[in-house]
Amino acid sequence: DAGVIQSPRHEVTEMGQEVTLRCKPISGHDYLFWYRQTMMRGLELLIYFNNNVPIDDSGMPEDRFSAKMPNASFSTLKIQPSEPRDSAVYFCASRQSIMPGSEQYFGPGTRLTVT
Amino acid sequence: GNSVTQMEGPVTLSEEAFLTINCTYTATGYPSLFWYVQYPGEGLQLLLKATKADDKGSNKGFEATYRKETTSFHLEKGSVQVSDSAVYFCALSGGGYQKVTFGTGTKLQVIP
Repeated sequence: DAGVIQSPRHEVTEMGQEVTLRCKPISGHDYLFWYRQTMMRGLELLIYFNNNVPIDDSGMPEDRFSAKMPNASFSTLKIQPSEPRDSAVYFCASRQSIMPGSEQYFGPGTRLTVT
Repeated sequence: GNSVTQMEGPVTLSEEAFLTINCTYTATGYPSLFWYVQYPGEGLQLLLKATKADDKGSNKGFEATYRKETTSFHLEKGSVQVSDSAVYFCALSGGGYQKVTFGTGTKLQVIP
């Protein structure tokens, strides 16, 4: 398997623009997670899905952020409008099950810079 | 709620030195414990794990033992290499959906 795939790897945009980040989880994994990593706040869980259904979005910072999972092999995280404080590395991760000890597999991340 | 506390970095060691990165946790029930590693420009990847008390996880010369009595999961390696330079995250999973809680990460730099 190719692992978790994220695109783009780097995104530079101007304040106020819409940004869409994409993720393809590992086939057969029922859980998908979106994280944000910054120096100041570390690794933050934004939202996670089970079988394409959002389970917990309490980490989504505000209404400018939205996430969808239209099918088992694709998810998007959208920021509209973007702001400079959204600059961070965004990771997608997937997991096969919720059995104790099951591993999360992370993608390579998307480095977002909002100017 | 669940939480993970790990020692702050950065930690700088000479090659072949002994490594310890401390990690303690707070959780209800019986969580699973993990160490993840992040190399520059990459996502996190699992280094080792333990799912019950007194279990020892090991991989690539790294070890950690699940100590329920001290609620700790310290990471150790007997002889570090330059290639071990990375950020190390302690984590636990537990409760509904086995939600994962990560520590803040400890940056390790190994110098030749």
